[in-house]
Amino acid sequence: EDKVVQSPLSLVVHEGDTVTLNCSYEVTNFRSLLWYKQEKKAPTFLFMLTSSGIEKKSGRLSSILDKKELSSILNITATQTGDSAIYLCAVEKDSNYQLIWGAGTKLIIKP
Amino acid sequence: NAGVTQTPKFRVLKTGQSMTLLCAQDMNHEYMYWYRQDPGMGLRLIHYSVGEGTTAKGEVPDGYNVSRLKKQNFLLGLESAAPSQTSVYFCASSQGTEPYEQYFGPGTRLTVT
Repeated sequence: EDKVVQSPLSLVVHEGDTVTLNCSYEVTNFRSLLWYKQEKKAPTFLFMLTSSGIEKKSGRLSSILDKKELSSILNITATQTGDSAIYLCAVEKDSNYQLIWGAGTKLIIKP
Repeated sequence: NAGVTQTPKFRVLKTGQSMTLLCAQDMNHEYMYWYRQDPGMGLRLIHYSVGEGTTAKGEVPDGYNVSRLKKQNFLLGLESAAPSQTSVYFCASSQGTEPYEQYFGPGTRLTVT
């Protein structure tokens, strides 16, 4: 059965700290891995990683895909209170554009 | 450009009642999805559509029906609501070609008593 597991489930750090969120997957016919940020309402897209693009960076956020270990990490440096959110990882399989979602990591940044 | 919109935002139903959730997108996307999100369980796919007039079952389709009569709209129906269907429902759309990311609506919070 396909599954995506995120860890930790929740994390509390202080402003300015660096955090690393993990996503591991067991999915047949892997196509890509996506990271989303969910604040109060809808998830918003952060990164997509594929075999041809295993590292992405945007400002203080960066993500790496390890296809050998079937996992990905999302790093956030110099965290700010606005980074507080649930971070979701999803894996696209096959060619029917369905996503398998992890349960998310709830990140709380204390001032 | 509103992106993906959902109506209603909130709804309370009694067990056995029916309702329809409406999703609309103005990005000319081919693919549309309905998810439910429950605490600690992430997003679970209910039904999806790869184009006007076509629908397919996702991971948790029981108790739900969908229709995609127009490309921009995707309707989710509950024929006989049950307390287990209390959840937050999200609609999403994607263009069906690279990049494949899905764009989400603001969600509908449904409570079935």
